[in-house]
Amino acid sequence: GQQLNQSPQSMFIQEGEDVSMNCTSSSIFNTWLWYKQDPGEGPVLLIALYKAGELTSNGRLTAQFGITRKDSFLNISASIPSDVGIYFCAGLPHYGGSQGNLIFGKGTKLSVKP
Amino acid sequence: DAGITQSPRHKVTETGTPVTLRCHQTENHRYMYWYRQDPGHGLRLIHYSYGVKDTDKGEVSDGYSVSRSKTEDFLLTLESATSSQTSVYFCAISEGRGGPYNSPLHFGNGTRLTVT
Repeated sequence: GQQLNQSPQSMFIQEGEDVSMNCTSSSIFNTWLWYKQDPGEGPVLLIALYKAGELTSNGRLTAQFGITRKDSFLNISASIPSDVGIYFCAGLPHYGGSQGNLIFGKGTKLSVKP
Repeated sequence: DAGITQSPRHKVTETGTPVTLRCHQTENHRYMYWYRQDPGHGLRLIHYSYGVKDTDKGEVSDGYSVSRSKTEDFLLTLESATSSQTSVYFCAISEGRGGPYNSPLHFGNGTRLTVT
């Protein structure tokens, strides 16, 4: 089946650094969503992307829908301790067929050194 | 918060017993989903609903059933719990304007289920 490759799996960064993570696939996607999950809580939507090439910001977060429609990137600028958590990408494949086939990446665990 | 309440938040049960998890929304959204989250697998769709009494299977539906008798409530039932169903279960909702994923999913805070 279709898969999303999310990388890196984990990263440690210094406070104030910029962070980049991405999701890639061999398939074409119509929608990309980025979520953040804190311990003991559900994923919270950060950014939604619906068009190839789209670049959307949410505060210090910026995400892009890759022009090939096979990837998406999330950047966090000037990281702070509360950015710690697990970041998930999710994509809706182009040939979705039946409903209910949003695919999730396995997550990027972000840890910030104080 | 997107107005989603999952209950219970934690449950420990024995193998072979039935278990029902509840998801309640106050957003009047059309679509509701049940996911499970496991290390190494991420979030996987169990079942979803596109309206009252309208449900369909997801990727990992075996051993689970669902019911939606009211817009606001979506129940997930494990008829006979097994240890492989130990997981964190998340409910999600979406408006579904023009289709289930034309509006993003919003998640509840999860139910941690342990089957011993």
